[in-house]
Amino acid sequence: RKEVEQDPGPFNVPEGATVAFNCTYSNSASQSFFWYRQDCRKEPKLLMSVYSSGNEDGRFTAQLNRASQYISLLIRDSKLSDSATYLCVVILPRGDSSYKLIFGSGTRLLVRP
Amino acid sequence: DTEVTQTPKHLVMGMTNKKSLKCEQHMGHRAMYWYKQKAKKPPELMFVYSYEKLSINESVPSRFSPECPNSSLLNLHLHALQPEDSALYLCASSQEGQNLRGEQFFGPGTRLTVL
Repeated sequence: RKEVEQDPGPFNVPEGATVAFNCTYSNSASQSFFWYRQDCRKEPKLLMSVYSSGNEDGRFTAQLNRASQYISLLIRDSKLSDSATYLCVVILPRGDSSYKLIFGSGTRLLVRP
Repeated sequence: DTEVTQTPKHLVMGMTNKKSLKCEQHMGHRAMYWYKQKAKKPPELMFVYSYEKLSINESVPSRFSPECPNSSLLNLHLHALQPEDSALYLCASSQEGQNLRGEQFFGPGTRLTVL
C-alpha cells in the first residue's frame, strides 16, 4: 500500500459545482497535512494547511479524519480558475526520530463553463 | 519579497558535463529544499538544508551535490548525469528551520534535459 494515495481524476465539473477530494495515508503516526495546487508546467503553491479541527479559507474547506486516516479538500462554487492538480502533502515520522515529507500523486480538477 | 527564484529556467547538458542549478530566497527562511519532479508525477524530496546544514538526504545519487553557501542561497551541482535524470528541479523554502515543515514556497523550477 502506498504511504499517501489520491484519486488521480480527472474530476470534470461545471462552474459553480461543489467538489471534494480525499487523500489517504497509511501511517497513523503522520503528523502534519497540507494541500497544494499545481497548474500545468508551474510550481506547486500552498493552498492550505489542514488542522485537526478542520479549517476554511473562503470557498475551500480542509478536514482531517484521523480515525479513517484521510484528509479532504472541499471546493464550493467552483471557478474556471480552480482547474489544476491538487496535491496533498503528509509529514510522517521515520523510525529514527526524523521525519519525511511525501506528496500525493495529485488529483486533477477540470472546471468547465 | 515572497519569491523564490531559480536559475536557469532551462538547461540542456550532456552526460559528461558539470553544471549547477541555483536557488535564492530573501524571505529570511531558514530551511531550503530540492525536489525532483518527473512529468505527471508529484515532486520527490531530494535534500533539505536547515540553518545552512544538510539535514536530509533522501538517498540521492552522488552525481547530485547540494551546497548552501548562506541562508539565502542553495545550489545543486550536477555531474555525470544520466538521461533518466531529466526532470523539473524545484527549490523551496520554509520559515522554520528546525523541523520539516509542510508550508513551503516553491521556485518556478529548472527544466533539465540530459542528452
